[in-house]
Amino acid sequence: GAVVSQHPSRVICKSGTSVKIECRSLDFQATTMFWYRQFPKQSLMLMATSNEGSKATYEQGVEKDKFLINHASLTLSTLTVTSAHPEDSSFYICSARVSGGSYEQYFGPGTRLTVT
Amino acid sequence: AQKITQTQPGMFVQEKEAVTLDCTYDTSDPSYGLFWYKQPSSGEMIFLIYQGSYDQQNATEGRYSLNFQKARKSANLVISASQLGDSAMYFCAMTFTLSGNTPLVFGKGTRLSVIA
Repeated sequence: GAVVSQHPSRVICKSGTSVKIECRSLDFQATTMFWYRQFPKQSLMLMATSNEGSKATYEQGVEKDKFLINHASLTLSTLTVTSAHPEDSSFYICSARVSGGSYEQYFGPGTRLTVT
Repeated sequence: AQKITQTQPGMFVQEKEAVTLDCTYDTSDPSYGLFWYKQPSSGEMIFLIYQGSYDQQNATEGRYSLNFQKARKSANLVISASQLGDSAMYFCAMTFTLSGNTPLVFGKGTRLSVIA
C-alpha cells in the first residue's frame, strides 16, 4: 500500500518556540492531506484539511494563526505549531488520500510533541 | 450531523476466542464508507477493513470481518481467533463521500485486551 511518512517522530520544545512537522506521501501524489490531533486516551480529532496550492481549511475552534499549514507540493504538507504552549502537547498525525484514487486514507506514523 | 458511536470503552477477550467491537453511525448521506483502524501503543493507525455503503456483501480481511447492518446503521468489527498482538485501541471511522476532500470522522475507540 501507499506510504506516508512524518518527521520528526518525537519533538520536545520550549514554550514560546515554534516547531514544524512534515508529512510526506512517499509513493503517490496527494492533493489533499488531513491533520489530526490526538490527546492521551482520546480519539483523533480533525484539525484541518490541507489542499495543495491553496489555503487549508480549519475546523471550528482550531486557531489558523497558531497552527500554520502549508501544502506546497503534491507530496508534502507541513504543520507549524507557532508559539507553542504546554497545552499544545499532543500526538499529531497526518493522513493522505491518493489523488483520483479510491476511498482509503493512508496515515503517517504520527509526531509526539511535548512542550516544556 | 454525522456521528460515529462506539459504546464499549474497553473489552477483554480470551486468546483464540472471537470478539465483536460495536460501532453505530448516523448520516443522511446515501454514499459513505466505513472503516476500522487498529492503533497499538506505538500510535500508528493500521487500516483493517472497509465497507462501502452500496456494498452488498459484508467485508472480510483475514481474521477481520465487518458485520454491516445498513438498516440499523451499524458496522461491527468481528475479530476471530484473537491473538495477544490484537491488544490495542480500535477505532471505527466514516467518510461521507468516496472521493474529494472529505476526512474521516472517528468514534471514541474501544481498547481491546487479549488475555492469555
